[in-house]
Amino acid sequence: SQTIHQWPATLVQPVGSPLSLECTVEGTSNPNLYWYRQAAGRGLQLLFYSVGIGQISSEVPQNLSASRPQDRQFILSSKKLLLSDSGFYLCACNRGRNEKLFFGSGTQLSVL
Amino acid sequence: RKEVEQDPGPFNVPEGATVAFNCTYSNSASQSFFWYRQDCRKEPKLLMSVYSSGNEDGRFTAQLNRASQYISLLIRDSKLSDSATYLCVVNIPNTGNQFYFGTGTSLTVIP
Repeated sequence: SQTIHQWPATLVQPVGSPLSLECTVEGTSNPNLYWYRQAAGRGLQLLFYSVGIGQISSEVPQNLSASRPQDRQFILSSKKLLLSDSGFYLCACNRGRNEKLFFGSGTQLSVL
Repeated sequence: RKEVEQDPGPFNVPEGATVAFNCTYSNSASQSFFWYRQDCRKEPKLLMSVYSSGNEDGRFTAQLNRASQYISLLIRDSKLSDSATYLCVVNIPNTGNQFYFGTGTSLTVIP
């Protein structure tokens, strides 16, 4: 079964600083990859998903971008963080688009 | 209108109690259904998929009612370790988002 590595676990960044969160997957090839954000007391919001290398779909306009340089690597970035970017960021994967999702351990981002 | 709606709770139940959560979905094209468990500041973990015929895994039973567009989760003989937030998730094929999450139902099992 697949294993999702996500780091760091927690991150405190000042407003206006850049961001790079990395997610790597083991145990499967050509996975679908997802970035979600969960704000305090709210449901999961899909930010980006990717069905293959270099293929990124964005669900909501925002201050963030994503890249997939390798089959099992998914990166979430920002050039300048906003206060509203604070939240719990989760990387997820599945093999087929209709199959259940598996999540990484998440990154708690606080923008101050 | 939200794709998936859950009662946020909180549900506070004594150990050994039976508790049930319901979740409604709005899109009749929904194809797959799941219950996830999420502990505080942790990632959601798959608890069980929900099948049309209903399915059981130990103390947990999931039901799907397509006609009324709701799914349910029943927990019998609650344990302290069942305290968590339970997320209802619906998969709608051929949509960009694909997975739609409820905001979760909070359960606290009290000694």
